[in-house]
Amino acid sequence: KQEVTQIPAALSVPEGENLVLNCSFTDSAIYNLQWFRQDPGKGLTSLLLIQSSQREQTSGRLNASLDKSSGRSTLYIAASQPGDSATYLCAVGGNKLVFGAGTILRVKS
Amino acid sequence: GAGVSQSPSNKVTEKGKDVELRCDPISGHTALYWYRQSLGQGLEFLIYFQGNSAPDKSGLPSDRFSAERTGGSVSTLTIQRTQQEDSAVYLCASSLARGHTQYFGPGTRLTVL
Repeated sequence: KQEVTQIPAALSVPEGENLVLNCSFTDSAIYNLQWFRQDPGKGLTSLLLIQSSQREQTSGRLNASLDKSSGRSTLYIAASQPGDSATYLCAVGGNKLVFGAGTILRVKS
Repeated sequence: GAGVSQSPSNKVTEKGKDVELRCDPISGHTALYWYRQSLGQGLEFLIYFQGNSAPDKSGLPSDRFSAERTGGSVSTLTIQRTQQEDSAVYLCASSLARGHTQYFGPGTRLTVL
């Protein structure tokens, strides 16, 4: 059974810092991996999708990497801003996604 | 364009009543998913529809839960004889096809008293 773990559970940083969120999964036979953000009381917003054959994806200040052999993904956020404050979730799978518990990020101005 | 919409946004019901939750996916998306988000369990997969294929119901927690997708578009999740442990946010998502980015709706917050 696939299990997804996210570290740290919470993170508080000053504005402008670069930061890394970590995601690990137990079964390396994944179809793809997605990173989402969730704002309080809202649904999920897709940030990046990495296919199993890819090593990384970039969108603006976000860069996600995937290492299937070690069962890990990282989400790198450059020059963090207060608007980046949210819960960040990673999920693996092709149709039925398995989610981690999330990292609660707070960027202080 | 329009995203995934869900209704109602909030639903309060009494234990033992039946409830229906509705999801309107993004037009043209062939895949539709239901998930549940609760404090103790995080985000859990419930059911998945792909085109005209039989749905994957492997995540439904009990036979009180059922879902249908009419005409390959709108979907309804029905919970019969609701229990307090059914209280959660029910999220719907759609994607162009299997393995593509899943786009989520705002969710329905269900409270069972």
